[in-house]
Amino acid sequence: GAGVSQSPSNKVTEKGKDVELRCDPISGHTALYWYRQSLGQGLEFLIYFQGNSAPDKSGLPSDRFSAERTGGSVSTLTIQRTQQEDSAVYLCASSFGLGGGGAGEQYFGPGTRLTVT
Amino acid sequence: GENVEQHPSTLSVQEGDSAVIKCTYSDSASNYFPWYKQELGKGPQLIIDIRSNVGEKKDQRIAVTLNKTAKHFSLHITETQPEDSAVYFCAARSFGTYKYIFGTGTRLKVLA
Repeated sequence: GAGVSQSPSNKVTEKGKDVELRCDPISGHTALYWYRQSLGQGLEFLIYFQGNSAPDKSGLPSDRFSAERTGGSVSTLTIQRTQQEDSAVYLCASSFGLGGGGAGEQYFGPGTRLTVT
Repeated sequence: GENVEQHPSTLSVQEGDSAVIKCTYSDSASNYFPWYKQELGKGPQLIIDIRSNVGEKKDQRIAVTLNKTAKHFSLHITETQPEDSAVYFCAARSFGTYKYIFGTGTRLKVLA
């Protein structure tokens, strides 16, 4: 079946501009995550959504970063007034819930490579 | 706060040899430990996972062991092949939460 998709795959923007990154999770997955991966680095947690619960925003690095998830499906990560240090690959993942004995395995999309010039 | 340490950061092995990657976690409430493989230009892919009620799990050439007392878990790859070359990440998640804490990754090179 279809996996997690992200768009665009690459985005080049000028410093100070706003960008929107999109994630389409696997159908039926209730949890959705955003991570940031800088060149050669590990995954930095940004935010996750689970069902109708309030999102866990504890990983957002500044108030320039925000995310929303409409209708429990598609999510958009917005970065306002982009800075050069925002350049990274932004990864989205989704999973089923933890109920029913499931482990909530995450499935990742291919990522969006953001370059701020 | 929660932390996951991963070692080594790079690992080179000859084809056919075994590779071992180790992770240590800090949160004693962690109960789910997945391992991911990330190939160049792609997102991480889950390759194996283990829950805290199990000490070891195997899937063909890949195995994961967990020592809850010492709070560390390891990935073992036997009979390595060139296609095993990638970056491997460990992660930990605590009971009742959705938040994962990732290790910093290990770049594995399998030399033909």
